[in-house]
Amino acid sequence: QKEVEQDPGPLSVPEGAIVSLNCTYSNSAFQYFMWYRQYSRKGPELLMYTYSSGNKEDGRFTAQVDKSSKYISLFIRDSQPSDSATYLCAMTLNTGNQFYFGTGTSLTVIP
Amino acid sequence: NAGVTQTPKFQVLKTGQSMTLQCAQDMNHEYMSWYRQDPGMGLRLIHYSVGAGITDQGEVPNGYNVSRSTTEDFPLRLLSAAPSQTSVYFCASSYLQGWQPQHFGDGTRLSIL
Repeated sequence: QKEVEQDPGPLSVPEGAIVSLNCTYSNSAFQYFMWYRQYSRKGPELLMYTYSSGNKEDGRFTAQVDKSSKYISLFIRDSQPSDSATYLCAMTLNTGNQFYFGTGTSLTVIP
Repeated sequence: NAGVTQTPKFQVLKTGQSMTLQCAQDMNHEYMSWYRQDPGMGLRLIHYSVGAGITDQGEVPNGYNVSRSTTEDFPLRLLSAAPSQTSVYFCASSYLQGWQPQHFGDGTRLSIL
């Protein structure tokens, strides 16, 4: 069983839609949870991160962590064509040395 | 401020050849790491380093060698390239104190024929 599971999609939505991206994980010791955005032929860039359970909002993006269900989500409101990318979830233990990544979800926002 | 710089961006090798993928960062990060990204597999950790002179293996270390002689540089060596090593390779770095998110380079696309 993989440490982190993520639906690869692809996901295609119209501009302005609300997008929900999700990951599940198996290790209850994970403490830090991240979302990276990766454009084609580029490296992943950090979008948001949260510590332990709860919600975090940054502009049109909201990250949620439910540690009891071992489930994390990223919501994108008012999606834009510029949001078209692959979204990777990642998580790590308290020491933070080794990161565990999902396989990524490919998102296309259609104008 | 360049961040994490990887060279070359593209490379084609023949089976059995060796080469070094370069990674340099200018953020004075102690922690550096190498990942490979394959379709359906996500990012998998190859090797990592927590400072000059200190390296350790990740999830998929076989066929790769690393060293860390300076804080800035963390080269990845393919000793004898195999077609299974065809992949996109990413270098990342971060501060070591507590937890810090990793900053990635733009990758090296490597094809082995």
